[in-house]
Amino acid sequence: GAGVSQSPSNKVTEKGKDVELRCDPISGHTALYWYRQSLGQGLEFLIYFQGNSAPDKSGLPSDRFSAERTGGSVSTLTIQRTQQEDSAVYLCASSAGTSSYNEQFFGPGTRLTVL
Amino acid sequence: AQSVSQHNHHVILSEAASLELGCNYSYGGTVNLFWYVQYPGQHLQLLLKYFSGDPLVKGIKGFEAEFIKSKFSFNLRKPSVQWSDTAEYFCAVNPSGAGSYQLTFGKGTKLSVIP
Repeated sequence: GAGVSQSPSNKVTEKGKDVELRCDPISGHTALYWYRQSLGQGLEFLIYFQGNSAPDKSGLPSDRFSAERTGGSVSTLTIQRTQQEDSAVYLCASSAGTSSYNEQFFGPGTRLTVL
Repeated sequence: AQSVSQHNHHVILSEAASLELGCNYSYGGTVNLFWYVQYPGQHLQLLLKYFSGDPLVKGIKGFEAEFIKSKFSFNLRKPSVQWSDTAEYFCAVNPSGAGSYQLTFGKGTKLSVIP
């Protein structure tokens, strides 16, 4: 079956512009995660959605970052007034449940470059 | 909060050499442990995982890892690497149990296998 998909695969933007990154999770997966992978760094947790519950936003680095998940499926990560330090690969993952034992399946990522 | 250290940033091996990639974690409770691999141009995928039981776990493509609780380590091994193992390898942990979904990753180890 189809895996996690993300779009766009690459995004180049100018400092100060807003960007939207999209994630389509695996069908039937109730949990969705966003991570950020900066150059030379590991993956950093950003935000987590589970069903209709309030999202866990504890990893968002600033209030310029927000995310929503419509209809329990597709998610959009929005970065307002982008800064150069926002340049990174943004990864989305989904899993079948909320337990720590549920495997997280990752998408191909969106490479964001802020000039 | 938990943290993960991967000791080697870049490892270069010749084909048929043995591989061991180090991973140490810091956390006061019970954890689940994972190794993910990212082949060039591909998305992150699960290589193997440890939840409980036999501390020696076997994954795909001949990889294995050993959980040594006293050393807080989960090193990845392969007896004989192939050129196709060239990739970046990430160790990750999360606390065991329901609701403990957030993965904490190490910074990754880049493996280059020379034919």
